[in-house]
Amino acid sequence: KNQVEQSPQSLIILEGKNCTLQCNYTVSPFSNLRWYKQDTGRGPVSLTIMTFSENTKSNGRYTATLDADTKQSSLHITASQLSDSASYICVVRKAKTGGYNKLIFGAGTRLAVHP
Amino acid sequence: DGGITQSPKYLFRKEGQNVTLSCEQNLNHDAMYWYRQDPGQGLRLIYYSQIVNDFQKGDIAEGYSVSREKKESFPLTVTSAQKNPTAFYLCASSTFYRGVTDTQYFGPGTRLTVL
Repeated sequence: KNQVEQSPQSLIILEGKNCTLQCNYTVSPFSNLRWYKQDTGRGPVSLTIMTFSENTKSNGRYTATLDADTKQSSLHITASQLSDSASYICVVRKAKTGGYNKLIFGAGTRLAVHP
Repeated sequence: DGGITQSPKYLFRKEGQNVTLSCEQNLNHDAMYWYRQDPGQGLRLIYYSQIVNDFQKGDIAEGYSVSREKKESFPLTVTSAQKNPTAFYLCASSTFYRGVTDTQYFGPGTRLTVL
């Protein structure tokens, strides 16, 4: 079954600290993996995209990793800021087998950064 | 949120009524999508359209209908047949070229509450 599991479900950290969010998937065949940031009451915004051959990709203070062998990804946030408070969603795209390239969404990790 | 607008931001409906959610994009994207987001769950695809005058059912199409008369617009109607319509609805769009879809850009969402 094609699934994307994220952990932890929620996380509270102090401003300035680092944190790592996890994503495990069973989606096959695999095309790519994205991390989205979703502020409360808003639409998700793409942070990074990683394909099968990429291990690490950074976007400012956000660094995503991908281990395609173990089907795991992580999102590391460095020197957190209050504006990082949001839900972070892991999304895996199935390789196209005809028609639409299906996206499988994780339930998200809700991050709260406290001063 | 890119060039995608959704209206209204909040919508209240009485049981038994149909309501239509608006989604407009000025990104010149061929493909558009409707998702539903419920607490603790990943986004679920309701309908998608890759070209004008054509659309396909997603994973949870029952109780919903769509139209795609213009490239820029993809309205979603939540009918009285939808058993549990209270949710956050997200519209997205992407390029679609030679059978390949790219990054999906999301609108700000509409929160529908059935009274």
